[in-house]
Amino acid sequence: SQQGEEDPQALSIQEGENATMNCSYKTSINNLQWYRQNSGRGLVHLILIRSNEREKHSGRLRVTLDTSKKSSSLLITASRAADTASYFCATGNSGNTPLVFGKGTRLSVIA
Amino acid sequence: DADVTQTPRNRITKTGKRIMLECSQTKGHDRMYWYRQDPGLGLRLIYYSFDVKDINKGEISDGYSVSRQAQAKFSLSLESAIPNQTALYFCATRAGTGVNQPQHFGDGTRLSIL
Repeated sequence: SQQGEEDPQALSIQEGENATMNCSYKTSINNLQWYRQNSGRGLVHLILIRSNEREKHSGRLRVTLDTSKKSSSLLITASRAADTASYFCATGNSGNTPLVFGKGTRLSVIA
Repeated sequence: DADVTQTPRNRITKTGKRIMLECSQTKGHDRMYWYRQDPGLGLRLIYYSFDVKDINKGEISDGYSVSRQAQAKFSLSLESAIPNQTALYFCATRAGTGVNQPQHFGDGTRLSIL
């Protein structure tokens, strides 16, 4: 069963705007990861945030984690048409428990 | 991720046929996974393996079987395919050391069952 639920399901923005996607989950986690999927391709890992971290940056990506609210957000700043893709959050628990993926947010960046 | 290779990339077959999807990896990872993706449902785990002697069922293993022929190879079989197994199938790998490791995905097999 899905642990993470992304919100919104779909998002359409203009190039140069910021895109924010949210992920909520149900049980305690060890880490939360974000992945991107371009059309017709496999998922690509973007960033991982540990449960004891509150914010993490990687280039134009900013991820926050609020374990008290069981939620995370992914911010893509100054979006580009190439950022058009589906974005998935995945939660990790113990080392032997597989990641559990959400249903994803479809982001469209219009040039 | 070119280090995780899935074959075939596309397959169309008929109900009742036996189908094997193959996955090979050059990343040297111990852990391998099979997922299916359906529109609006995200990724669901079918089977996973921590090493050659270890196979575990995932969320939706009914109708599927797997074989871990070597550390680098993990195959998914549909013994008697049915139309609702039409989906996009992904193989993924992960290093076994440490909890905070990402997964690496192949580019998928698009399977259509008529």
